[in-house]
Amino acid sequence: DAGITQSPRHKVTETGTPVTLRCHQTENHRYMYWYRQDPGHGLRLIHYSYGVKDTDKGEVSDGYSVSRSKTEDFLLTLESATSSQTSVYFCAIRQNYEQYFGPGTRLTVT
Amino acid sequence: DQQVKQNSPSLSVQEGRISILNCDYTNSMFDYFLWYKKYPAEGPTFLISISSIKDKNEDGRFTVFLNKSAKHLSLHIVPSQPGDSAVYFCAASEGGNYGQNFVFGPGTRLSVLP
Repeated sequence: DAGITQSPRHKVTETGTPVTLRCHQTENHRYMYWYRQDPGHGLRLIHYSYGVKDTDKGEVSDGYSVSRSKTEDFLLTLESATSSQTSVYFCAIRQNYEQYFGPGTRLTVT
Repeated sequence: DQQVKQNSPSLSVQEGRISILNCDYTNSMFDYFLWYKKYPAEGPTFLISISSIKDKNEDGRFTVFLNKSAKHLSLHIVPSQPGDSAVYFCAASEGGNYGQNFVFGPGTRLSVLP
């Protein structure tokens, strides 16, 4: 157990509204990641962080922004949600050469 | 263009028999490979990994084989148990890069039948 929690666990929102997902870790890991999981695509990297205020884009970053003001929290924001962002979102931390995942947030954009 | 491929979306195996899940990759810079297991409504959990300096790594019932020349790896589960029923993701990494290069395959759904 890597001490990762995600909130909310489920959310339904309307197209055009902003949404923020939170990832919280308790073990002071430096590297944190946001992925989305969609059928046929596996897990795709959205953004990652390599320290407080240090973030970079992943494979599918368009329409998403992130912030990391504290080591323990990594926030993912959808500035204006679209139906194509309906997905399951996973946060992860890196420990040694492996990544460990949170329980996920299921987001539905109607 | 998928850099990590799992060409079998699903696999069914009888309890007690061997399960073999396959994964192919295209990027020759990948030097570290991982398998994750995912149950419904849960996050993926790390299962086993292998470095490119090895061709086999074993952990209990789980063994991963790596064929670098073929850019192919496989996960063997022996004996298979009903609790192994899950989606399995293969992932590849450039180990020296702590950033973004964990690339996941699309997954294979394993069903172990009692």
